[in-house]
Amino acid sequence: DTAVSQTPKYLVTQMGNDKSIKCEQNLGHDTMYWYKQDSKKFLKIMFSYNNKELIINETVPNRFSPKSPDKAHLNLHINSLELGDSAVYFCASRQDQGPGDSGNTIYFGEGSWLTVV
Amino acid sequence: DQQVKQNSPSLSVQEGRISILNCDYTNSMFDYFLWYKKYPAEGPTFLISISSIKDKNEDGRFTVFLNKSAKHLSLHIVPSQPGDSAVYFCAAIWSNTGKLIFGQGTTLQVKP
Repeated sequence: DTAVSQTPKYLVTQMGNDKSIKCEQNLGHDTMYWYKQDSKKFLKIMFSYNNKELIINETVPNRFSPKSPDKAHLNLHINSLELGDSAVYFCASRQDQGPGDSGNTIYFGEGSWLTVV
Repeated sequence: DQQVKQNSPSLSVQEGRISILNCDYTNSMFDYFLWYKKYPAEGPTFLISISSIKDKNEDGRFTVFLNKSAKHLSLHIVPSQPGDSAVYFCAAIWSNTGKLIFGQGTTLQVKP
């Protein structure tokens, strides 16, 4: 069973379109994240949610809107896509509480490759 | 302002030898450090971690060392295997914020 799963894995779309990437975790974790890996391969945090509540919101354009219908899901909606949005988007989750250090380990999904043409 | 830095973009070692990957950080509030391994077209996979109250953590062939005074950590892989060839990311987290900050990554190539 995949712990953190995201769909679609590959997405090619035209500028100006609106698209969504879905993420689900079956680990029972409290916190979920969206990370972006840009063309220079940097992994940067975009958002995090804890029990459906927005906790971290980095300086991301308003066109990006996360939505968490429940603790196990965090979807990423992107409006009016631009060429610069082309990147790999990773969903991740973290337990927050656990024995020893386990609460601090963050687990990642496989990534969603978004190409805007 | 990059709070976690991996200054070596790449490293090449011979199979069976030791691989040492280095990482520096600037924020003294970080209390937990992790190493991730990433293959192309896959997500980062958790490898090993260390709490800021420790200076060493070992898991099989992988050992992470933390030098808090120098704000430096390193990952040792002994012995290195060709399957270890991947991009290795150092990451740091401040538990209160839950925000995981990554370094730029180091591409390790282990030659048979």
